[in-house]
Amino acid sequence: DAGVTQSPTHLIKTRGQQVTLRCSPISGHKSVSWYQQVLGQGPQFIFQYYEKEERGRGNFPDRFSARQFPNYSSELNVNALLLGDSALYLCASSPKDDRPNQPQHFGDGTRLSIL
Amino acid sequence: GEDVEQSLFLSVREGDSSVINCTYTDSSSTYLYWYKQEPGAGLQLLTYIFSNMDMKQDQRLTVLLNKKDKHLSLRIADTQTGDSAIYFCAESVRGSYIPTFGRGTSLIVHP
Repeated sequence: DAGVTQSPTHLIKTRGQQVTLRCSPISGHKSVSWYQQVLGQGPQFIFQYYEKEERGRGNFPDRFSARQFPNYSSELNVNALLLGDSALYLCASSPKDDRPNQPQHFGDGTRLSIL
Repeated sequence: GEDVEQSLFLSVREGDSSVINCTYTDSSSTYLYWYKQEPGAGLQLLTYIFSNMDMKQDQRLTVLLNKKDKHLSLRIADTQTGDSAIYFCAESVRGSYIPTFGRGTSLIVHP
């Protein structure tokens, strides 16, 4: 079975631009989470969606938004990009049960560089 | 509040055992996880342990949990060069969908 897939793998943008990152969860997984990983740090939680509803939101500005589609894939949007948004953006999916504390399975991420 | 701390680096010789340590502060932590990240890749879930357990073993991996001291460790037996990576400890508290990660421990294995 395919794991979590993310696209694109790399992206270069300039300050002020907008970006959309995409994620397809493991087949059968209904929950998708997004994380930002700055170089040298652990992942920081941005959003979690389950069955197309937002279940949690981390401490990120409103420039960050996300959505989940009927097929459980997800997009992360970031507006008005800043240099500090340069990071690896990771998507993770969780098993289909609606229980907390489910182990998460990560994709390889999208490396976003802001010039 | 939630805070997970790890030492940043560990260097071992191939064939030796590696022990990576982690401390956490939230006493309501329910699940504790270990993830591995290789260069240019995402995080791979290695193992996890429920907070009502003291130990979990899975092939070369042994997880020990000391709830009193809020200390978690990952022991890798017979460490190989392919084990070189960054290892992240993470916790999630009761009822939460969101794990909190440490900064990661970079494991370097010398031939």
